[in-house]
Amino acid sequence: GAVVSQHPSRVICKSGTSVKIECRSLDFQATTMFWYRQFPKQSLMLMATSNEGSKATYEQGVEKDKFLINHASLTLSTLTVTSAHPEDSSFYICSASTTLAGGYEQFFGPGTRLTVL
Amino acid sequence: AQSVTQPDIHITVSEGASLELRCNYSYGATPYLFWYVQSPGQGLQLLLKYFSGDTLVQGIKGFEAEFKRSQSSFNLRKPSVHWSDAAEYFCAVGGQGGKLIFGQGTELSVKP
Repeated sequence: GAVVSQHPSRVICKSGTSVKIECRSLDFQATTMFWYRQFPKQSLMLMATSNEGSKATYEQGVEKDKFLINHASLTLSTLTVTSAHPEDSSFYICSASTTLAGGYEQFFGPGTRLTVL
Repeated sequence: AQSVTQPDIHITVSEGASLELRCNYSYGATPYLFWYVQSPGQGLQLLLKYFSGDTLVQGIKGFEAEFKRSQSSFNLRKPSVHWSDAAEYFCAVGGQGGKLIFGQGTELSVKP
């Protein structure tokens, strides 16, 4: 149980185009989803917290107009990178959260490798 | 401020040897603590977690971790490392609103 999928796993796009990444919780309902960015050989950097039916909360320094997050249902959140540029190339990982025994636990998707040419 | 420190960026051990990965945290309340493993190009897999209770936690793949409040530590151990354990390991503490605060990660290499 507690499986999270991401689609696509890899995407290559031209500079200036927009790319949408989907994150789905397959066998549970997630009221909260998180989006992370990871550069090579580095840790995960939280970009935003996404709650179903409400606006995402972005971390300091993350451009909300560039990284659009939509959490339309309890099992789906999307991240759209608008007007992508080469510096947006990165590994994007989502997670879905549920509460267990009084504590939160996040289940991670397999990640999406974005390359902007 | 909440933080997680993994002092070792890279560790190399011989196959069959024991392993300990260090993790220190800074958190005001009782922490929720996690260890994740990440293979290249993959997402994160949960190895084990601590919410409360027994301070020695057993996880998957033969890993265990011990929560030591007095030392603010949550070190990961394995008695005998396998070549397939080579990966990046992340310690994390659960913060407000279910957020996770990650350490910098420790890359584990295994010598044959």
